[in-house]
Amino acid sequence: GIQVEQSPPDLILQEGANSTLRCNFSDSVNNLQWFHQNPWGQLINLFYIPSGTKQNGRLSATTVATERYSLLYISSSQTTDSGVYFCAVEEGFGNEKLTFGTGTRLTIIP
Amino acid sequence: ETGVTQTPRHLVMGMTNKKSLKCEQHLGHNAMYWYKQSAKKPLELMFVYNFKEQTENNSVPSRFSPECPNSSHLFLHLHTLQPEDSALYLCASSQESTLEAFFGQGTRLTVV
Repeated sequence: GIQVEQSPPDLILQEGANSTLRCNFSDSVNNLQWFHQNPWGQLINLFYIPSGTKQNGRLSATTVATERYSLLYISSSQTTDSGVYFCAVEEGFGNEKLTFGTGTRLTIIP
Repeated sequence: ETGVTQTPRHLVMGMTNKKSLKCEQHLGHNAMYWYKQSAKKPLELMFVYNFKEQTENNSVPSRFSPECPNSSHLFLHLHTLQPEDSALYLCASSQESTLEAFFGQGTRLTVV
């Protein structure tokens, strides 16, 4: 099956800093999503981004499908950005399931 | 009302108990999923239902029994669980055509 690797595994930043999280995948994908898991465990949708670039406030994401990676940018970090960020991909088409990466744990210090 | 709602949020059960987890989605989606998240592990897909039909069973032990009575509701029936089944169980839904998944708040299960 497809392999999904995220880096870095852990990231500690001061409030106000910018960060880049990376997701590499081993095969072509039909879909890619970024999620933020809050301290209570809920996965919050950030982006549905099989290709191209999207922005939502302080967050943006870029997927380069031909090179098999996606990047999540967080600017002007706030303490509420803390948590674990996951990317998830659907391998091929009609696979009906998402394969998750191992996540990046982001800690924002006031 | 959130898009995907799970109950209960927390559950502690003994190994001989029978309990059920409930998931309800208000997004008009036609696919629903159960995922398991254990400590230090990636999320693992357990079951997939499309239009109420089970289309994926990811080698899950029979002590976990899913039920999907309609495309808005999904249950996970639990019986004779083991302590290693303690985990966060997450329900998700999507429109089959896009697979953009939306998750519930999860049920944190502890088996004692």
